[in-house]
Amino acid sequence: DSGVTQTPKHLITATGQRVTLRCSPRSGDLSVYWYQQSLDQGLQFLIQYYNGEERAKGNILERFSAQQFPDLHSELNLSSLELGDSALYFCASSVAAGGVYEQYFGPGTRLTVT
Amino acid sequence: AQTVTQSQPEMSVQEAETVTLSCTYDTSESDYYLFWYKQPPSRQMILVIRQEAYKQQNATENRFSVNFQKAAKSFSLKISDSQLGDAAMYFCAYRNGGATNKLIFGTGTLLAVQP
Repeated sequence: DSGVTQTPKHLITATGQRVTLRCSPRSGDLSVYWYQQSLDQGLQFLIQYYNGEERAKGNILERFSAQQFPDLHSELNLSSLELGDSALYFCASSVAAGGVYEQYFGPGTRLTVT
Repeated sequence: AQTVTQSQPEMSVQEAETVTLSCTYDTSESDYYLFWYKQPPSRQMILVIRQEAYKQQNATENRFSVNFQKAAKSFSLKISDSQLGDAAMYFCAYRNGGATNKLIFGTGTLLAVQP
C-alpha cells in the first residue's frame, strides 16, 4: 500500500458525460500528479500540482481539468467524454515538486466510456 | 524533448534464471533520474529501482540490478533468480532533475516467468 488513495476504483459512464476522479496523497506529500494509461497512448503524464498551484502540464486535453484543494487532495475532471477516454487514471504524490523525491502511485481509477 | 524506448514488447524467462530488460533514452539534460517500475496484473505501479545520472555506480536492490551506460543512454534491468511473482509489465521511466517531477515512460516489456 503506497498510502495514496483514489476513488472510485471503477467508473462506467456514457459518451458526453462528465466525471470526477479523486485522489488523496500520502500524508505529508505536497505534490500530486495525474497520469493516464491507455492502450493507444501508453502511460502519459497529464498534470502536476504542488501545494495547490499548477506546476506542470503534459498531454492533457482541454476537456480535462484538475485542481488541488487546501487539504491537498486533488480532483481530475473529465467532461464531454469520448470512447477514447477509456483508460486507467493514476494519481501519484511526492513530498516536493522536484529534486530527488520519489513518486508514489495510487491504485488507479479505471474509466470505461460506453 | 526526452524520450524513452523499450524495444522488447515481451520477454520470457525460466524460474530461477536471469533475464535482462532493455531501455534506451534520449535527453540533452545532465541532471536526471531513471527508474524501473513493475506493474503486476493488479495494475498497481511499483517502483523497482532507481538510478541517479550523476552516480557512476549501478543501482542494486536485492535480485534487481541495472546496467547504466550514460554515454550510450542505455539503462537495462537485470532480474536474477527469477520468481513467479516477477511476472508483470515492466516500465522504464525518465525524470528530469529540475523543478518538475513528471515521469516519461517507455512502452513497457511484458515479462512471463515459466515454472
